[in-house]
Amino acid sequence: QTVVTQEPSLTVSPGGTVTLTCASSAGAVTSDYYPNWFQQKPGQAPRALIYTTNNKHSWTPARFSGSLLGGKAALTLSGVQPEDEAEYYCLLYYGGAWVFGGGTKLTVL
Amino acid sequence: QVQLQQSGPGLVKPSQTLLITCAISGDSVSSNIGAWNWIRQSPSRGLEWLGRTYYRSKWYNEYAAFVKSRISINPDTSKNQFSLQVNSVTPEDTAVYYCARGVTTFDYWGQGTLVTVSS
Repeated sequence: QTVVTQEPSLTVSPGGTVTLTCASSAGAVTSDYYPNWFQQKPGQAPRALIYTTNNKHSWTPARFSGSLLGGKAALTLSGVQPEDEAEYYCLLYYGGAWVFGGGTKLTVL
Repeated sequence: QVQLQQSGPGLVKPSQTLLITCAISGDSVSSNIGAWNWIRQSPSRGLEWLGRTYYRSKWYNEYAAFVKSRISINPDTSKNQFSLQVNSVTPEDTAVYYCARGVTTFDYWGQGTLVTVSS
């Protein structure tokens, strides 16, 4: 069973920069895995931020960016805002099936 | 603007069948460039993609291996909606269930349906 691993929690100061990563137990993450990133706040459905590694949806704030970094998918937030405090999930495609990561709880403090 | 509206029971008894529907507005379940997914979330298991249905001259379904033997996702073109059926439910199937649109991303989501499996 494929496992997708994220940092359980990260803390960042307002205005700072933070990078979340997403690793696959199957090996290095590439664009072939169509990496996606989602933000979820309590009581809400996940909201799509990034798709196919580094593409933004029309509603994605400019401070969010996606990339591949050291064999992992990465989500970078630059100029973090208090409203960015949330759970972040990555999503990878494994040829016919999608697998979510366990999520990263981002605290803005 | 795409909207997905879910409906279904909040409580299902063990061994029974769970059925949730997702009504689509602003798009078509028969779109030949789209796909329609079911995802669930629980505190113990996190977010889990369950499967999807899509139309490419004919209907296709893909299901997650861990639940493949128990689920069915069906389109209803007359009502522009799709449904999730999970058979033989157990308390482990207690979760918030979401429908979502997308092929390489899940851009629009339903509001979520909390389903509790309990006698």
